[in-house]
Amino acid sequence: AQSVSQHNHHVILSEAASLELGCNYSYGGTVNLFWYVQYPGQHLQLLLKYFSGDPLVKGIKGFEAEFIKSKFSFNLRKPSVQWSDTAEYFCAVKGSNYKLTFGKGTLLTVNP
Amino acid sequence: DGGITQSPKYLFRKEGQNVTLSCEQNLNHDAMYWYRQDPGQGLRLIYYSQIVNDFQKGDIAEGYSVSREKKESFPLTVTSAQKNPTAFYLCASSSSGGRNEQFFGPGTRLTVL
Repeated sequence: AQSVSQHNHHVILSEAASLELGCNYSYGGTVNLFWYVQYPGQHLQLLLKYFSGDPLVKGIKGFEAEFIKSKFSFNLRKPSVQWSDTAEYFCAVKGSNYKLTFGKGTLLTVNP
Repeated sequence: DGGITQSPKYLFRKEGQNVTLSCEQNLNHDAMYWYRQDPGQGLRLIYYSQIVNDFQKGDIAEGYSVSREKKESFPLTVTSAQKNPTAFYLCASSSSGGRNEQFFGPGTRLTVL
């Protein structure tokens, strides 16, 4: 069975600080990896996804993530956060059974 | 506008009553999903359907039931057998195939009193 672990439950940053949210997954085969974001009061939406090829994936709003196969990791990064990035972030993995398994989420609070 | 609608946004029920949550999509997606979101627990898969008239149990199916009679609709019934039904319920859909992202609806917050 596949599983996802997000290291931080709540991260608090000041504007312009750099962000890295950890995500590790457990699955023995080929995976597709995703980061979703849930802004306050809004739908869950896709930030970025990795299927194959270049392990450095760029998403919307300046976010990027790096797939490191040897570490089973897919960490999310942003060089400079803004107050509007305050949201809950979810890492997810999809294996060959097409089921999407989510981590428990990381709440990011950015102080102005 | 293409998208996923869930109704109602807030739902209150008395303990022991069954309740059905609506999910409709006009994205022409084959696959539909139901998740439950609890604080600090992330999203957990309840049921999913890859095609009309077929569905499979997810990780936490006990106390829930679904039907998929139409491509655009995937209602979820929370039965009285569900021991802790108060939660935020999210419906999603995707095109068939493993590489397709899931699109999510706005959710229904169910409170059982």
